[in-house]
Amino acid sequence: EIVLTQSPGTLSLSPGERATLSCRASQSVSSSFLAWYQQKPGQAPRLLMYGASSRATGIPDRFSGSGSGTDFTLTISRLEPEDFAVYYCQQFGSTLWTFGQGTKVEIK
Amino acid sequence: QLQLKESGSGLVKPSQTLSLTCAVSGGSISSGPYSWTWIRQPPGKGLEWIGHVYPSGSFSYNPSLKRRVTISVDKSKNQFSLKLSSVTAADTAVYFCARAPDAFDVWGQGTTVTVSS
Repeated sequence: EIVLTQSPGTLSLSPGERATLSCRASQSVSSSFLAWYQQKPGQAPRLLMYGASSRATGIPDRFSGSGSGTDFTLTISRLEPEDFAVYYCQQFGSTLWTFGQGTKVEIK
Repeated sequence: QLQLKESGSGLVKPSQTLSLTCAVSGGSISSGPYSWTWIRQPPGKGLEWIGHVYPSGSFSYNPSLKRRVTISVDKSKNQFSLKLSSVTAADTAVYFCARAPDAFDVWGQGTTVTVSS
């Protein structure tokens, strides 16, 4: 099983600031099989990034993804009020698909 | 626009079988190289992949649930289903269905299932 560890657990920032979220895998994951999701309370997750760095349809360009191997990053260049949510990374690189435990981005 | 909608029993007694269906609208479950997936989220916790099925009928399950899970597809009704047997309180969660080409790009709204006597 590939374990994804996200850090930090909570990120306290102000609107307009830059957010950097980390996702570390217990073993190498092809970047083709790494995705990021945003989830707000009471809603289903929404796909943000796939293939580690490709934005999903309708996702603004303030969201970007990078990384390879075991280290991946989601960056939000300037936080908008609607970006405060929980973010999950997820891998398809093994037979057992797994999610990270999530990073909550909260308003400081 | 493809939409997914979960339905099924919201309250299940311990040791019984949880049954959910995901109806696909706005597109065919048979089209494209998609897997049709079930994911759950216990209250206040993170996401757990349960398993997925392809239109061909091939499937893959989370090993931690494998002995209790069945996911099947009904192409004639354009839907797929989840059965989870011998449920306990630990199976209480919001259950989501989703489609995956190379990521979960379309999700249902989720349905809450509570296991309680």
